[in-house]
Amino acid sequence: AQSVTQLGSHVSVSEGALVLLRCNYSSSVPPYLFWYVQYPNQGLQLLLKYTSAATLVKGINGFEAEFKKSETSFHLTKPSAHMSDAAEYFCAVKSLNNAGNMLTFGGGTRLMVKP
Amino acid sequence: NAGVTQTPKFQVLKTGQSMTLQCAQDMNHEYMSWYRQDPGMGLRLIHYSVGAGITDQGEVPNGYNVSRSTTEDFPLRLLSAAPSQTSVYFCASSLGTGEREQYFGPGTRLTVT
Repeated sequence: AQSVTQLGSHVSVSEGALVLLRCNYSSSVPPYLFWYVQYPNQGLQLLLKYTSAATLVKGINGFEAEFKKSETSFHLTKPSAHMSDAAEYFCAVKSLNNAGNMLTFGGGTRLMVKP
Repeated sequence: NAGVTQTPKFQVLKTGQSMTLQCAQDMNHEYMSWYRQDPGMGLRLIHYSVGAGITDQGEVPNGYNVSRSTTEDFPLRLLSAAPSQTSVYFCASSLGTGEREQYFGPGTRLTVT
Protein backbone atom coordinates (compact mmCIF):
# COMPACT_ATOMS: atom_id res chain seq x y z
CA ALA A 1 0.00 0.00 0.00
CA GLN A 2 1.13 3.49 -0.72
CA SER A 3 1.92 5.95 2.01
CA VAL A 4 2.59 9.66 2.16
CA THR A 5 4.64 11.39 4.84
CA GLN A 6 4.47 15.10 5.48
CA LEU A 7 7.30 16.15 7.75
CA GLY A 8 6.11 18.71 10.27
CA SER A 9 2.47 18.93 11.25
CA HIS A 10 2.92 22.66 11.92
CA VAL A 11 5.17 25.11 10.10
CA SER A 12 5.49 28.76 11.06
CA VAL A 13 7.09 31.39 8.82
CA SER A 14 7.25 35.16 8.78
CA GLU A 15 5.44 37.11 6.12
CA GLY A 16 7.78 37.44 3.13
CA ALA A 17 9.85 34.40 4.07
CA LEU A 18 10.30 31.23 2.05
CA VAL A 19 7.68 28.54 2.50
CA LEU A 20 8.86 24.92 2.33
CA LEU A 21 6.43 22.09 3.05
CA ARG A 22 7.84 18.59 2.76
CA CYS A 23 6.23 15.52 1.23
CA ASN A 24 7.69 12.06 0.69
CA TYR A 25 5.85 9.14 -0.83
CA SER A 26 6.45 5.42 -0.98
CA SER A 27 6.04 3.96 -4.42
CA SER A 28 8.33 2.01 -6.70
CA VAL A 29 6.64 3.56 -9.73
CA PRO A 30 6.27 7.35 -9.83
CA PRO A 31 2.61 8.02 -9.13
CA TYR A 32 0.46 11.03 -9.76
CA LEU A 33 1.14 13.58 -7.03
CA PHE A 34 -1.05 16.39 -5.79
CA TRP A 35 -0.96 19.23 -3.32
CA TYR A 36 -4.26 20.45 -1.90
CA VAL A 37 -4.93 23.43 0.35
CA GLN A 38 -7.69 23.67 2.93
CA TYR A 39 -8.71 27.02 4.33
CA PRO A 40 -10.58 27.06 7.67
CA ASN A 41 -14.01 25.46 7.51
CA GLN A 42 -13.74 24.79 3.80
CA GLY A 43 -13.19 21.84 1.51
CA LEU A 44 -9.94 21.01 -0.27
CA GLN A 45 -8.76 22.98 -3.28
CA LEU A 46 -6.15 21.74 -5.74
CA LEU A 47 -2.91 23.74 -5.69
CA LEU A 48 -0.96 21.76 -8.26
CA LYS A 49 -0.32 18.27 -9.60
CA TYR A 50 2.54 16.24 -11.06
CA THR A 51 1.71 14.09 -14.03
CA SER A 52 5.21 13.31 -15.43
CA ALA A 53 5.13 16.12 -18.00
CA ALA A 54 7.64 18.22 -16.05
CA THR A 55 9.45 17.76 -12.76
CA LEU A 56 8.91 21.36 -11.67
CA VAL A 57 5.24 22.09 -11.40
CA LYS A 58 3.75 25.54 -10.96
CA GLY A 59 0.43 25.97 -9.24
CA ILE A 60 -1.93 28.66 -8.10
CA ASN A 61 -1.10 31.49 -5.69
CA GLY A 62 2.63 31.39 -6.49
CA PHE A 63 3.25 27.88 -5.21
CA GLU A 64 5.39 25.33 -6.98
CA ALA A 65 6.63 21.82 -6.30
CA GLU A 66 9.51 19.75 -7.61
CA PHE A 67 9.28 16.03 -8.21
CA LYS A 68 12.50 14.21 -7.29
CA LYS A 69 12.33 10.54 -8.14
CA SER A 70 15.63 9.67 -6.46
CA GLU A 71 14.39 11.14 -3.19
CA THR A 72 10.73 10.09 -3.65
CA SER A 73 9.83 13.64 -2.72
CA PHE A 74 7.43 16.32 -3.89
CA HIS A 75 8.10 19.31 -1.68
CA LEU A 76 5.96 22.44 -1.96
CA THR A 77 7.57 25.87 -1.99
CA LYS A 78 6.67 29.53 -2.28
CA PRO A 79 9.36 32.22 -2.38
CA SER A 80 7.52 34.76 -0.26
CA ALA A 81 4.76 33.92 2.23
CA HIS A 82 1.64 36.02 2.47
CA MET A 83 -0.77 36.18 5.37
CA SER A 84 -3.45 34.69 3.14
CA ASP A 85 -1.35 31.51 2.75
CA ALA A 86 -2.20 30.45 6.31
CA ALA A 87 -4.04 27.18 5.85
CA GLU A 88 -3.58 23.43 6.03
CA TYR A 89 -1.78 21.76 3.15
CA PHE A 90 -2.13 18.14 2.10
CA CYS A 91 0.08 16.08 -0.15
CA ALA A 92 -1.65 13.18 -1.89
CA VAL A 93 -0.68 10.40 -4.27
CA LYS A 94 -2.55 8.24 -6.70
CA SER A 95 -1.07 5.15 -8.26
CA LEU A 96 -1.05 4.72 -12.02
CA ASN A 97 -3.22 1.60 -11.93
CA ASN A 98 -6.02 2.77 -9.73
CA ALA A 99 -9.43 1.69 -10.83
CA GLY A 100 -11.08 3.39 -7.92
CA ASN A 101 -9.36 6.73 -8.45
CA MET A 102 -8.31 6.68 -4.82
CA LEU A 103 -6.14 9.36 -3.31
CA THR A 104 -3.82 8.54 -0.41
CA PHE A 105 -3.23 11.61 1.74
CA GLY A 106 -0.48 12.65 4.06
CA GLY A 107 -1.33 13.83 7.55
CA GLY A 108 -1.31 17.49 6.58
CA THR A 109 0.84 20.49 7.49
CA ARG A 110 -0.68 23.55 9.05
CA LEU A 111 1.09 26.69 7.83
CA MET A 112 1.07 29.72 10.07
CA VAL A 113 2.27 33.07 8.76
CA LYS A 114 3.48 35.67 11.26
CA PRO A 115 3.26 39.37 10.45
CA ASN B 1 -22.37 24.93 -11.70
CA ALA B 2 -22.77 24.40 -7.97
CA GLY B 3 -19.95 21.82 -8.05
CA VAL B 4 -20.05 19.33 -5.17
CA THR B 5 -22.62 20.06 -2.48
CA GLN B 6 -23.01 18.37 0.90
CA THR B 7 -25.75 18.51 3.50
CA PRO B 8 -25.94 19.01 6.39
CA LYS B 9 -22.94 21.19 7.31
CA PHE B 10 -23.11 20.16 10.95
CA GLN B 11 -24.76 17.26 12.76
CA VAL B 12 -24.82 15.92 16.29
CA LEU B 13 -25.94 12.34 16.86
CA LYS B 14 -26.33 10.14 19.87
CA THR B 15 -24.62 6.76 19.92
CA GLY B 16 -26.73 4.22 18.07
CA GLN B 17 -28.63 6.68 15.91
CA SER B 18 -28.53 6.42 12.14
CA MET B 19 -28.36 9.14 9.54
CA THR B 20 -27.53 9.86 5.93
CA LEU B 21 -25.01 12.42 4.72
CA GLN B 22 -26.00 13.77 1.36
CA CYS B 23 -23.65 14.50 -1.53
CA ALA B 24 -24.52 15.74 -4.99
CA GLN B 25 -22.54 16.98 -7.98
CA ASP B 26 -23.73 18.68 -11.15
CA MET B 27 -20.63 18.15 -13.28
CA ASN B 28 -21.65 14.75 -14.71
CA HIS B 29 -18.66 13.12 -13.03
CA GLU B 30 -18.43 9.33 -13.05
CA TYR B 31 -16.23 8.96 -10.01
CA MET B 32 -17.39 9.90 -6.53
CA SER B 33 -15.80 9.23 -3.16
CA TRP B 34 -16.33 9.73 0.54
CA TYR B 35 -13.43 10.60 2.84
CA ARG B 36 -13.22 11.27 6.53
CA GLN B 37 -10.76 13.76 7.97
CA ASP B 38 -9.28 13.28 11.41
CA PRO B 39 -6.52 15.40 13.01
CA GLY B 40 -3.04 14.29 12.02
CA MET B 41 -4.33 11.56 9.72
CA GLY B 42 -5.17 13.50 6.59
CA LEU B 43 -8.16 12.19 4.68
CA ARG B 44 -8.98 8.51 4.49
CA LEU B 45 -11.19 6.91 1.88
CA ILE B 46 -14.41 5.32 3.14
CA HIS B 47 -16.24 4.25 -0.03
CA TYR B 48 -16.10 5.14 -3.67
CA SER B 49 -18.13 4.73 -6.84
CA VAL B 50 -16.99 4.48 -10.46
CA GLY B 51 -20.46 5.04 -11.86
CA ALA B 52 -24.15 4.67 -11.18
CA GLY B 53 -24.86 1.28 -9.63
CA ILE B 54 -21.20 0.53 -8.86
CA THR B 55 -19.64 1.06 -5.44
CA ASP B 56 -16.69 -0.37 -3.56
CA GLN B 57 -14.97 -0.13 -0.20
CA GLY B 58 -12.07 2.12 0.60
CA GLU B 59 -9.64 2.10 3.49
CA VAL B 60 -12.09 2.56 6.38
CA PRO B 61 -15.55 1.26 5.32
CA ASN B 62 -16.78 -0.30 8.56
CA GLY B 63 -19.97 1.25 9.92
CA TYR B 64 -20.84 3.00 6.64
CA ASN B 65 -22.98 2.13 3.65
CA VAL B 66 -23.28 3.78 0.27
CA SER B 67 -25.37 3.47 -2.87
CA ARG B 68 -25.27 5.20 -6.23
CA SER B 69 -28.62 5.15 -8.00
CA THR B 70 -27.89 8.23 -10.12
CA THR B 71 -24.77 9.88 -11.51
CA GLU B 72 -25.44 12.99 -9.45
CA ASP B 73 -25.99 11.61 -5.95
CA PHE B 74 -23.82 9.56 -3.61
CA PRO B 75 -25.26 9.40 -0.07
CA LEU B 76 -23.30 8.00 2.87
CA ARG B 77 -25.26 6.15 5.55
CA LEU B 78 -24.19 5.66 9.13
CA LEU B 79 -26.05 2.60 10.33
CA SER B 80 -25.49 2.88 14.08
CA ALA B 81 -23.38 5.90 15.01
CA ALA B 82 -20.42 5.47 17.35
CA PRO B 83 -18.20 8.11 18.98
CA SER B 84 -15.32 6.87 16.78
CA GLN B 85 -17.24 8.22 13.80
CA THR B 86 -16.91 11.78 15.06
CA SER B 87 -15.10 13.41 12.15
CA VAL B 88 -15.37 15.75 9.21
CA TYR B 89 -16.70 14.03 6.11
CA PHE B 90 -15.86 15.12 2.59
CA CYS B 91 -17.41 14.02 -0.64
CA ALA B 92 -15.39 14.31 -3.85
CA SER B 93 -15.98 13.74 -7.53
CA SER B 94 -13.89 13.55 -10.69
CA LEU B 95 -14.43 13.10 -14.38
CA GLY B 96 -11.98 10.23 -14.66
CA THR B 97 -9.00 8.54 -13.13
CA GLY B 98 -5.27 9.18 -13.38
CA GLU B 99 -4.26 12.79 -13.28
CA ARG B 100 -7.82 14.04 -13.22
CA GLU B 101 -8.47 16.41 -10.34
CA GLN B 102 -10.89 15.46 -7.60
CA TYR B 103 -13.32 18.21 -6.62
CA PHE B 104 -14.25 18.34 -2.96
CA GLY B 105 -17.42 19.44 -1.26
CA PRO B 106 -17.40 21.81 1.76
CA GLY B 107 -17.68 18.98 4.27
CA THR B 108 -20.02 17.80 7.02
CA ARG B 109 -18.86 18.05 10.61
CA LEU B 110 -20.33 15.14 12.58
CA THR B 111 -20.21 14.72 16.33
CA VAL B 112 -21.39 11.51 17.98
CA THR B 113 -21.99 11.70 21.72
